[in-house]
Amino acid sequence: NAGVTQTPKFQVLKTGQSMTLQCAQDMNHNSMYWYRQDPGMGLRLIYYSASEGTTDKGEVPNGYNVSRLNKREFSLRLESAAPSQTSVYFCASSEVGRGELFFGEGSRLTVL
Amino acid sequence: KQEVTQIPAALSVPEGENLVLNCSFTDSAIYNLQWFRQDPGKGLTSLLLIQSSQREQTSGRLNASLDKSSGRSTLYIAASQPGDSATYLCAVGGYSTLTFGKGTMLLVSP
Repeated sequence: NAGVTQTPKFQVLKTGQSMTLQCAQDMNHNSMYWYRQDPGMGLRLIYYSASEGTTDKGEVPNGYNVSRLNKREFSLRLESAAPSQTSVYFCASSEVGRGELFFGEGSRLTVL
Repeated sequence: KQEVTQIPAALSVPEGENLVLNCSFTDSAIYNLQWFRQDPGKGLTSLLLIQSSQREQTSGRLNASLDKSSGRSTLYIAASQPGDSATYLCAVGGYSTLTFGKGTMLLVSP
């Protein structure tokens, strides 16, 4: 049972490059989320998708875009990476909004 | 805006001790509260979910309580073990998303 799978696990980018973080869940969950985790800042919500076909901004959406490709997949795109986006990114899912949250293992991104 | 505070930020105890981790939140209009565990370099693992209508939840050696009116939750760990060493985070459920505390880093020494 894979749960929530994120790719890639590690990535190094140069300032201005673009990339997409992929997330897939196999639990038939309706809601999916992207968080970033930074030392001293805790976990902050970037974007979420309450259900297939919908996306909404979270606390720190600037510099990011998302796509809910289908019920299983929710991707996060950095169009022009900046050093301030160096972080650990977590994808999560829940059966419904406000339900128990299940996390992926994280994607560690460094922007030089 | 909901704010979640966890005290202490770090805790070191000898094996076998019972311990309590604290979580406080500023807005009592919550839907639920979750406790998570995070091991170094890993994702978060859900430990307990308490709905707003509940007062506590138990799983094995873990017991979480919720007092909405005072804006507090506690996670009680009985008979701590070295394998319990990790960071514990609480998260408060609002209308559509969770707000996380910054966590308590727990070290249980043999």
